[in-house]
Amino acid sequence: SQQGEEDPQALSIQEGENATMNCSYKTSINNLQWYRQNSGRGLVHLILIRSNEREKHSGRLRVTLDTSKKSSSLLITASRAADTASYFCATESSGNTPLVFGKGTRLSVIA
Amino acid sequence: GAGVSQSPSNKVTEKGKDVELRCDPISGHTALYWYRQSLGQGLEFLIYFQGNSAPDKSGLPSDRFSAERTGGSVSTLTIQRTQQEDSAVYLCASRDTSSTDTQYFGPGTRLTVL
Repeated sequence: SQQGEEDPQALSIQEGENATMNCSYKTSINNLQWYRQNSGRGLVHLILIRSNEREKHSGRLRVTLDTSKKSSSLLITASRAADTASYFCATESSGNTPLVFGKGTRLSVIA
Repeated sequence: GAGVSQSPSNKVTEKGKDVELRCDPISGHTALYWYRQSLGQGLEFLIYFQGNSAPDKSGLPSDRFSAERTGGSVSTLTIQRTQQEDSAVYLCASRDTSSTDTQYFGPGTRLTVL
């Protein structure tokens, strides 16, 4: 079963704009992770936020986590054409358990 | 260092045939996971190996699916009597459970069952 639900399913923006993707989940979590996937193949880990954290930054990425609403957001600032990909959130309910993925957001950044 | 590798990259097979998919995890990673991704969907967990513990097979969709992990390293996912609905990208991930929560994914095997 899939726990995470990303919103929107697809997003198209101009280069330089910011992109915001949201993720909601259903059960309690140990951490939430965001992954990127190009061309339907391997996933690249972007950022992990633990359940006791509210915000993390990594380069142009900013992730927030609201455990009371069971939701997270991924913000990509100053987007580039190379950011075009699918983005997935994944939750880990406890240590060493498999990740539960959402269906992803397809981001298109137009040059 | 080398990342997770998978082979073959692509596999086309006929309905009813058996297939074996291979995963070489990052050296020293004790945890290994198999997921599959159907077209336009998120990843679905299949099976999880952790050290010498019995694998978590709770995600396997049917008894036609099985997996082994030999010597705590390489893993093989076997699908017997393949069906068209088995067509998907099969992704493997590994993790060093002593130091990180991050799973590192391989490039996947795209399986097409005709």
